[in-house]
Amino acid sequence: DTGVSQDPRHKITKRGQNVTFRCDPISEHNRLYWYRQTLGQGPEFLTYFQNEAQLEKSRLLSDRFSAERPKGSFSTLEIQRTEQGDSAMYLCASSRATDTQYFGPGTRLTVL
Amino acid sequence: QKEVEQNSGPLSVPEGAIASLNCTYSDRVSQSFFWYRQYSGKSPELIMSIYSNGDKEDGRFTAQLNKASQYVSLLIRDSQPSDSATYLCAVMGTSSGSARQLTFGSGTQLTVLP
Repeated sequence: DTGVSQDPRHKITKRGQNVTFRCDPISEHNRLYWYRQTLGQGPEFLTYFQNEAQLEKSRLLSDRFSAERPKGSFSTLEIQRTEQGDSAMYLCASSRATDTQYFGPGTRLTVL
Repeated sequence: QKEVEQNSGPLSVPEGAIASLNCTYSDRVSQSFFWYRQYSGKSPELIMSIYSNGDKEDGRFTAQLNKASQYVSLLIRDSQPSDSATYLCAVMGTSSGSARQLTFGSGTQLTVLP
């Protein structure tokens, strides 16, 4: 299996701009997760897809955040009107029916 | 009270020693437990999963789970400098969250001294 891939790896943007990140899960993994990690903290859950259905969203996910997983394959996470507090590592993970989640390399977002 | 707590460290051990990392969780609903290793600037890498009370060994790593005490630990035998990283304890399934989400501790920073 190739691992989870994420694009871009780094993104620098100005406050107020929109950004979109992509995640490609391990092939045949039907579950896909987004997490956010800030310095010195563990990852925090944002949202979860089973196939194309978004089943769970964290209270952390404000209205400026939206995620999609068309056709149950890759997923995108969009942040609208970015704020400096959005600066973080955005991690994608995938799993099969078992619980074990495998993480991608992450997208590091810096909002100036 | 945080749902998953770890000593932040830093924890330093000499090369060849046993490193002991501890984690407690607050929600008895949780059934699945994981240890991830994270090198600086990188993403978490799965080390072990454990679901049943007792010990689970994989190479130099042993995970221990005690659901009655709500306690998970990771032992690293024959520690190597390449083991220097942050170790994240993660719990799946809490009363306040999704049954599928992982809730992480803040991690313990381990340094293995040559």
